[in-house]
Amino acid sequence: SQKIEQNSEALNIQEGKTATLTCNYTNYSPAYLQWYRQDPGRGPVFLLLIRENEKEKRKERLKVTFDTTLKQSLFHITASQPADSATYLCALENTDKLIFGTGTRLQVFP
Amino acid sequence: GAGVSQSPSNKVTEKGKDVELRCDPISGHTALYWYRQSLGQGLEFLIYFQGNSAPDKSGLPSDRFSAERTGGSVSTLTIQRTQQEDSAVYLCASSLKGGEGKLFFGSGTQLSVL
Repeated sequence: SQKIEQNSEALNIQEGKTATLTCNYTNYSPAYLQWYRQDPGRGPVFLLLIRENEKEKRKERLKVTFDTTLKQSLFHITASQPADSATYLCALENTDKLIFGTGTRLQVFP
Repeated sequence: GAGVSQSPSNKVTEKGKDVELRCDPISGHTALYWYRQSLGQGLEFLIYFQGNSAPDKSGLPSDRFSAERTGGSVSTLTIQRTQQEDSAVYLCASSLKGGEGKLFFGSGTQLSVL
């Protein structure tokens, strides 16, 4: 069956460290993958898109990798700040629509 | 409007009643999605509209759920004979184009079925 898996456990890290979140998928062949941030009581907000032929994408303190062989994307936040605390969702393209993972909650403490 | 607007923001209904949820996408956006999010869970895909193409209804959980998009703009999600398991936040999103377009989400409708 098709699955998109993100760490269900919350990720707790100290301010200034790099946070790394994982998105693994099974039985999908996405042409692209997106990452979103969701704060409590709000809809998700788009962060980054990476295509299947791209290995890495960066935007300010954010970096995304996409390994179609491992069927995995990694999302990194460098020099993390308490304001980065939120739930982060990956989303895969599947027949031209986006399917979301369950999300990982990130908590950055001072 | 500046963003995706959903109404109502909260809806409490009794089991067995019908409900209608409304979504006003960003003007000019051709793609519109409905998702459902249960407490502490990820987003469950429901339905996808893209331009004049037939909608992708593959995520609708039962025939009690239906959606339409009139004039390529406003969309309504209807749930008939609501059940307690329908309680969730219903999120609408639009994008400028299908495919790679990034999604802009509304704040959702919190549906509670008593």
